[in-house]
Amino acid sequence: DIQMDQSPSSLSASVGDRVTITCRASQSISTNLNWYQQRPGKTPNVLIYAVSKSQSGVPSRFRGSGSGTDFTLTISSLQPEDSATYYCQQSYSTPYSFGQGTKVEI
Amino acid sequence: QVQLQESGPGLVKPSGTLSLTCAVSGDSISSINWWTWVRQPPGKGLQWIGEIYHRGDTNYNPSLERRVTISVDKSRNQFSLKLTSLTAADTAVYWCARDYKDCSGRRCIGWLDPWGPGILVTVSS
Repeated sequence: DIQMDQSPSSLSASVGDRVTITCRASQSISTNLNWYQQRPGKTPNVLIYAVSKSQSGVPSRFRGSGSGTDFTLTISSLQPEDSATYYCQQSYSTPYSFGQGTKVEI
Repeated sequence: QVQLQESGPGLVKPSGTLSLTCAVSGDSISSINWWTWVRQPPGKGLQWIGEIYHRGDTNYNPSLERRVTISVDKSRNQFSLKLTSLTAADTAVYWCARDYKDCSGRRCIGWLDPWGPGILVTVSS
């Protein structure tokens, strides 16, 4: 099974800050890496799929990058509504595992 | 607009069986997509449970494989989850989701979208 290691587990930042979350896979997963946002008490929603492709309606401040085993989600200018937990997920091989999550507090 | 909706009991007894159904609208369950269950225990992260294709092909999380069955009902455009031998550790919010597949490249890629609203299942006597 592929393990997904996300860091940090939590962070606190201010409005307007640039925030970076990293995700490392235990083996190469090509471009099969997705990012989800889960606001408190809500259902997760896909932000970025296939490493860097933005889901429709996602603000341009969210950007994904990386390849192979190392991936990054960057929020270029943090907004109050970005307070949430972010999860990476590999869809390269089953079981499609998630990272542990990164809680972003503002 | 594709929508998914989970249904089933919110309270089940220890050692019992959890049965949930996911009704799909706006997409055919016989499309190229797969259909997935994910859960989240209170205060914890997301766990991928398993998935099914309309032909009946399944993939399960090895940590749950002995206890889990996912099935599909094409006539009702829905799929279901059964989890047996329940313990308190199975208390969680359960979501169904479409594993949307894009096969336009050399290799198919997939992501979970959309998700149902989720259902909290509590295992307690």
